[in-house]
Amino acid sequence: DQQVKQNSPSLSVQEGRISILNCDYTNSMFDYFLWYKKYPAEGPTFLISISSIKDKNEDGRFTVFLNKSAKHLSLHIVPSQPGDSAVYFCAASPYGGATNKLIFGTGTLLAVQP
Amino acid sequence: DTAVSQTPKYLVTQMGNDKSIKCEQNLGHDTMYWYKQDSKKFLKIMFSYNNKELIINETVPNRFSPKSPDKAHLNLHINSLELGDSAVYFCASSHRQGKNIQYFGAGTRLSVL
Repeated sequence: DQQVKQNSPSLSVQEGRISILNCDYTNSMFDYFLWYKKYPAEGPTFLISISSIKDKNEDGRFTVFLNKSAKHLSLHIVPSQPGDSAVYFCAASPYGGATNKLIFGTGTLLAVQP
Repeated sequence: DTAVSQTPKYLVTQMGNDKSIKCEQNLGHDTMYWYKQDSKKFLKIMFSYNNKELIINETVPNRFSPKSPDKAHLNLHINSLELGDSAVYFCASSHRQGKNIQYFGAGTRLSVL
């Protein structure tokens, strides 16, 4: 049972345009959400996160939006750059953090075309 | 200086062998993890240790035995390797308290022939 889903396996965007990556979750006990970026042959790198008490968090070109009622979050990258081409994973952490478990989606491969 | 380092990066071995993967972090974190990324690219938690104490064991076969000699190290030993163990294994670390931001190593690609 996949509790975190990224339904788009891939996304192609022109350089300079906006990239929107989506993530849905099913468990209402998740209270902290993260986005990781992964290049081939490297480990996932933390990008940005959001707590369930917020609906938006911004860091430079990256903004994460959280819609708790819809159990949906999205990552916006503006403007997109060729160096952003990577696999993006959405992850969620259950409330309480007693075990600090992260549950990952299956990832979306973003290709930014020059 | 690499924050979370794991060795080896690649591991090719025969079925039935025993192998180990090592992980070290220099971030001063108290919690370390092993994740497995399978052929479908699904990244799933296997184990977590906090200050050398096992806190997560996600129904992993007991052929897999993690060992944490201290809070900066978490090694993974795998006995009697099977074809289905072929995957990329990632080590990660974080602070247990506060935001659960985990920092990952570069991964170990295990191929069982």
